[in-house]
Amino acid sequence: DSGVTQTPKHLITATGQRVTLRCSPRSGDLSVYWYQQSLDQGLQFLIQYYNGEERAKGNILERFSAQQFPDLHSELNLSSLELGDSALYFCASSGKQTDTQYFGPGTRLTVL
Amino acid sequence: GIQVEQSPPDLILQEGANSTLRCNFSDSVNNLQWFHQNPWGQLINLFYIPSGTKQNGRLSATTVATERYSLLYISSSQTTDSGVYFCAGEGSYIPTFGRGTSLIVHP
Repeated sequence: DSGVTQTPKHLITATGQRVTLRCSPRSGDLSVYWYQQSLDQGLQFLIQYYNGEERAKGNILERFSAQQFPDLHSELNLSSLELGDSALYFCASSGKQTDTQYFGPGTRLTVL
Repeated sequence: GIQVEQSPPDLILQEGANSTLRCNFSDSVNNLQWFHQNPWGQLINLFYIPSGTKQNGRLSATTVATERYSLLYISSSQTTDSGVYFCAGEGSYIPTFGRGTSLIVHP
């Protein structure tokens, strides 16, 4: 158990809908990263937050947004969902003493 | 952005065999890590190794930062080692993962 929690584990929804994925980092970790894993694209970095502020942005679509709250948990919002958004979404956290990333169990999103 | 190349893409071993996985980076990276994704999809941190050599049981890793590559050694492989091994590095705070090495260990 990495100490990073993600909810829900599975999500099935329809095209055009909006969903929110939630991540709680390890105790004491200030950074949260979001990744998308699909068969054709591999593991793609989406966005990173550090202590509530956006630190780096990767290949995140405009339909996607994220935020990190004062208690350091983070949410990833995916809107106007398309079939191609079906993927495994991971969050990871790292602390201020180490840059080692620890991954949560992921949320499997299926868009029908 | 940084390109990460992993080799080999696929590896099939008999239990007890040794193997070496390689990761090449197109540019200098920070925070180099190796991960194992098990058949259930869980990503497990193996090593944080921006430079030098580390060992953890049957696994060890070496990073030569000046030559922009890292190696992961698996000795006396077991069926539980099966899965996909990823390396990742950061450039300008952007983490980039390789495509992975898919390992199958047969009993």
